[in-house]
Amino acid sequence: SQTIHQWPATLVQPVGSPLSLECTVEGTSNPNLYWYRQAAGRGLQLLFYSVGIGQISSEVPQNLSASRPQDRQFILSSKKLLLSDSGFYLCAWRQSEAFFGQGTRLTVV
Amino acid sequence: GESVGLHLPTLSVQEGDNSIINCAYSNSASDYFIWYKQESGKGPQFIIDIRSNMDKRQGQRVTVLLNKTVKHLSLQIAATQPGDSAVYFCAENTLGERALTFGSGTRLQVQP
Repeated sequence: SQTIHQWPATLVQPVGSPLSLECTVEGTSNPNLYWYRQAAGRGLQLLFYSVGIGQISSEVPQNLSASRPQDRQFILSSKKLLLSDSGFYLCAWRQSEAFFGQGTRLTVV
Repeated sequence: GESVGLHLPTLSVQEGDNSIINCAYSNSASDYFIWYKQESGKGPQFIIDIRSNMDKRQGQRVTVLLNKTVKHLSLQIAATQPGDSAVYFCAENTLGERALTFGSGTRLQVQP
């Protein structure tokens, strides 16, 4: 069966520091991978998706970037975090429905 | 742009009652719909899906109804339990689109 791993679960980072969140998928090949952000009490905003190694599509302009160095690995990064980057970040992979990781709670202080 | 939204931000029901959570969508080309349940601090979990060639689909204690005429989707939960307390999201997709579009969510509170 397919599983998705996302880490860390929580993260507190100072403004201006870098960010790297990692997501890996097991049990499937060439998955479509997604990064979403969820503000407190809000819905899911699509940030990036990838249909293959090195292929990244950005949905919204922002302070973040994504990379897909391996088929089942998806990384969300920032060179310098802003306070507004705080939120709950979710990685997902998709066939028809989407399967989500457990999320990373990022607090920028 | 096209959007998916919900009528009620919070729904409070008594344990044992049936719950109905509603969702409106605006993209008439949407052909696949999903309901997710998200518990506090966790990622969304798939509940049930339905394709546009159907108007009803049933799972264990849950039923999804699709009315394409008025672009309306609902999730019915039978005999609601405290463990059903969570935020529920609808999501839609159009053939050829890579990503799902999510609604803003409805919080379901089950009173004992």
